[in-house]
Amino acid sequence: DGGITQSPKYLFRKEGQNVTLSCEQNLNHDAMYWYRQDPGQGLRLIYYSQIVNDFQKGDIAEGYSVSREKKESFPLTVTSAQKNPTAFYLCASAPQSSDNEQFFGPGTRLTVL
Amino acid sequence: AQSVAQPEDQVNVAEGNPLTVKCTYSVSGNPYLFWYVQYPNRGLQFLLKYITGDNLVKGSYGFEAEFNKSQTSFHLKKPSALVSDSALYFCAVRDRRSGGSYIPTFGRGTSLIVHP
Repeated sequence: DGGITQSPKYLFRKEGQNVTLSCEQNLNHDAMYWYRQDPGQGLRLIYYSQIVNDFQKGDIAEGYSVSREKKESFPLTVTSAQKNPTAFYLCASAPQSSDNEQFFGPGTRLTVL
Repeated sequence: AQSVAQPEDQVNVAEGNPLTVKCTYSVSGNPYLFWYVQYPNRGLQFLLKYITGDNLVKGSYGFEAEFNKSQTSFHLKKPSALVSDSALYFCAVRDRRSGGSYIPTFGRGTSLIVHP
């Protein structure tokens, strides 16, 4: 899984609670991404950031928030507004060049109880 | 928007036989195409990519992919399958978003099962 770490591996949350998923990379990559994976639906883009202190909404940003205060870190907060948060969350990074492949973290499985 | 389609949810093949996992694309302009593999409860791993040049691209773990412009396809292949190749495979295409950023768009994935 390259130089990207995600924590925790498993996370349980009660309804109505916000929770933050960690993503750290030591690859010196400019771009970072958050995806949500559900069975049979592939990967759906939540947020992405091409540079520090800047980020953009992806296809399913509602109910999520992010920050990019450091190049190495791109935490994702799943808020209580996210109606169906139980899923597998993947973080990725890539060099800025658009023809480069992404490097993925090991993922966090979030379960809402 | 650019997109890829993986027409098969699952592919079954016997160990030692050749395997093919299909991907077709829809893009305007020249496509940038990628294949990734995902083992259970893990992140995705990059296998190979096509940007330009030879239509046959070689990648990791003995995999290769053939870019076919006339058929708008980028099928993943391996001459002899291993049980350890059993995993979920994703095709992706570079897509330009509003604001100018290029972000990969992924297919729904194909589950490859290699039987002993």
